[in-house]
Order: sequence, then structure tokens, then C-alpha cells
Amino acid sequence: NAGVMQNPRHLVRRRGQEARLRCSPMKGHSHVYWYRQLPEEGLKFMVYLQKENIIDESGMPKERFSAEFPKEGPSILRIQQVVRGDSAAYFCASLGQSGSPLHFGNGTRLTVT
Amino acid sequence: RKEVEQDPGPFNVPEGATVAFNCTYSNSASQSFFWYRQDCRKEPKLLMSVYSSGNEDGRFTAQLNRASQYISLLIRDSKLSDSATYLCVVNGGPSDSGTYKYIFGTGTRLKVLA
Repeated sequence: NAGVMQNPRHLVRRRGQEARLRCSPMKGHSHVYWYRQLPEEGLKFMVYLQKENIIDESGMPKERFSAEFPKEGPSILRIQQVVRGDSAAYFCASLGQSGSPLHFGNGTRLTVT
Repeated sequence: RKEVEQDPGPFNVPEGATVAFNCTYSNSASQSFFWYRQDCRKEPKLLMSVYSSGNEDGRFTAQLNRASQYISLLIRDSKLSDSATYLCVVNGGPSDSGTYKYIFGTGTRLKVLA
């Protein structure tokens, strides 16, 4: 019974490149959350998706960031034209039903050089 | 006022001590509450859910006080391995959008000393 799978674990990009982060939720879960954590800071909500729908993207920067959760395949968080300030740990969590706890993947650590 | 507030600490306690953390929340309609543990550079892991009547799991006890809008975590007989950051999580109220809203506190850092 695989948990939440994120890849890659580590991603290095030069300024201006694109970063794609993937998240496969737990089996049977249809809700995905993305959080960002800067060094020495707390988790910041970015976006909440259900299959094929963005439900809440209030935490996502308006430019360069996008997310999707297609009918088939993993959820993707895409960051275009990365800048040094995008360097952070990006965690994905999945949810089975409302009110249950979130289950986290082990994160993608993005470093922008 | 922040939606979920925690004392950032750090709490430095000797092995064997009892330590307690509180977490306050602003939305009185919040439905579900959790404590997570996060080790340095790792993902948050569920420690325990918090039930209305309070609940215990080994050395850990969680309580909910709806009237004062806070939850607490008590750790008895602290171990070195308990050193971590403890995150309070509140699941939002009954509206359609609130139901799926999970709000994290910034965490309380605990260091258990030998």
C-alpha cells in the first residue's frame, strides 16, 4: 500500500529554467495539496486540487506557478523561469475524505543556482 | 490574528521530563484537529488526531478545548528521539470551501537534552 510518492527528491535548476514536480497520491485518494517550506520556516499552503479541478489556489503566486491534477497520472506543480527565491522544499499531501488527516510525500527539494 | 498560532520555542527539556505545547485557533467552526511531527528536512508525519474527549497514545496525550479554542499536546517521559518540530493542524469549518482547508501552525521546536 504505497504512500504518497513525490519525485524527484532533489532538483537543481539554473535561473530561468523550468521545474516540474510530480506527486502521486495514496491509492484511493482524489485530493492533493501542495505546500512550500522555505528554510527555517513553516509550511505554506499553495494549492488544493481534486481530479481535473483546481479547488483553491489562493496560496499560489500569480505568475510562473501552475498546478494540475489530470484524470490519469500524477499531480504536477510547474514553476516557470525559476528564480533563487523559489529554492525550497515542496511537499505534496493527499487526502481521502474531508476531516481525515493529510498524508505527506517526502518532498522535492528544489535548488535554483 | 493568525488562524493557527503556536509558540515557536525552542523548548529545551531534559530526558524524562514532561513537556506540554498549546496551539490556539481562530475559527470556532473548525472541525478536525491534528498534531504532526516534523524532523529536520523531512516531511511532516501524523502524530495523532485530537478528539473532543481527549486521547492518549503511549506517552502522548492530546486535548481539545473548544470553549477557549485551543488544543494541547503533552509528552511524558521525554526521549532524545522526541526532538523535533511539532505542528498543530486545524481543519476548517463546515462551508464547502472550509471543509477541505487544512491550516498549519508554524510549529514548536522541542529539543530533549541528555
